[in-house]
Amino acid sequence: LAKTTQPISMDSYEGQEVNITCSHNNIATNDYITWYQQFPSQGPRFIIQGYKTKVTNEVASLFIPADRKSSTLSLPRVSLSDTAVYYCLVGAKAAGNKLTFGGGTRVLVKP
Amino acid sequence: SAVISQKPSRDICQRGTSLTIQCQVDSQVTMMFWYRQQPGQSLTLIATANQGSEATYESGFVIDKFPISRPNLTFSTLTVSNMSPEDSSIYLCSVEEAGGRETQYFGPGTRLLVL
Repeated sequence: LAKTTQPISMDSYEGQEVNITCSHNNIATNDYITWYQQFPSQGPRFIIQGYKTKVTNEVASLFIPADRKSSTLSLPRVSLSDTAVYYCLVGAKAAGNKLTFGGGTRVLVKP
Repeated sequence: SAVISQKPSRDICQRGTSLTIQCQVDSQVTMMFWYRQQPGQSLTLIATANQGSEATYESGFVIDKFPISRPNLTFSTLTVSNMSPEDSSIYLCSVEEAGGRETQYFGPGTRLLVL
């Protein structure tokens, strides 16, 4: 499974856009990129998944450049409730359906 | 998406005892997974549990310490055996989205403290 590297922590303020970049230099052809969000005392929650270019849903956008060696999760206009740990994962069904969690990025949204 | 519940939500146990954690899903799923998350750390996969077969354990985890049952497509248990304080952690189960990509849904976790 491709290893991922993300910043340990980020601070932001309410109403700002937060962008978290994840590096995955050895991503394989069949790998998808998936982001999870985890609040304290809860299990991780799926946010968004993509393979290439841009994906957008009601929660976030995911930008993936052509070489797919990195990806950026964009959270528009964050609120205090977006304070959480965000995990970037890469993997494919052919890999045995295992998820390998990296260290994640701890995002703190301040008032 | 699947709704997952876990019991107990938290427990305090004495060393040397065992605790069985239950995971219930509101739909039938093929793949269930058990993770451990130590305080302030990321998640580590313990094992994969498929219905009708033995669980597959990751490196560093053994069946004698973490026996798993998977009697049907909506239920699984993880037992933490002969506990020590080092087993204090959050234990989470997850299920894979049916017919999909690498998308999993997680339960709320069981917070375990071993004294």
